Amino acid sequence: AQSVSQHNHHVILSEAASLELGCNYSYGGTVNLFWYVQYPGQHLQLLLKYFSGDPLVKGIKGFEAEFIKSKFSFNLRKPSVQWSDTAEYFCAVNKPGSQGNLIFGKGTKLSVKP
Amino acid sequence: KAGVTQTPRYLIKTRGQQVTLSCSPISGHRSVSWYQQTPGQGLQFLFEYFSETQRNKGNFPGRFSGRQFSNSRSEMNVSTLELGDSALYLCASSLSVAGGRNEQFFGPGTRLTVL
Repeated sequence: AQSVSQHNHHVILSEAASLELGCNYSYGGTVNLFWYVQYPGQHLQLLLKYFSGDPLVKGIKGFEAEFIKSKFSFNLRKPSVQWSDTAEYFCAVNKPGSQGNLIFGKGTKLSVKP
Repeated sequence: KAGVTQTPRYLIKTRGQQVTLSCSPISGHRSVSWYQQTPGQGLQFLFEYFSETQRNKGNFPGRFSGRQFSNSRSEMNVSTLELGDSALYLCASSLSVAGGRNEQFFGPGTRLTVL
């Protein structure tokens, strides 16, 4: 079965530190890839998405992600985090034929110390 | 444009009861998906509705059901509630453009507590 792995359960960083959150998926065919963020008390919001083309995707709030097909990975990065980035981050994947069915990773909680 | 809305936001039920949750998608969105979020299992897909038909289904028991109306609003129902059904139930809508390049927009969720 298709699955998504996020290797870090909880990441703690100081402000201005660089961030990289890992995401690997198990499906071998064509996939759509997403990163969602859930700020405390708020609903899930889309950070960025990859469908095809340039494997380096830029999203909102200075986030970017790189799709490496050979590694089945879609890691999220940000060069300098802020306290306001404290949130839970979810990687998700779906197949083009199952567009309404997102498979999510378990999430990574990011805590940024001011 | 208004976002995805879900009602009620909070619900407390007892074991054995049934519950109905409602979701109104973004105007123009025809696909509605439902997810269950728990601390232990994370976000799990329940089912997706498109044009009043269930298009995809996750691995949940038959106690979980849903439907979609002609205006794309959707409801999900859980019968014979169990303690383990306590969770945040999220609804998401998308345009569902042909070709699969769709992003889902999530509502705030309904927090269900089963006592």
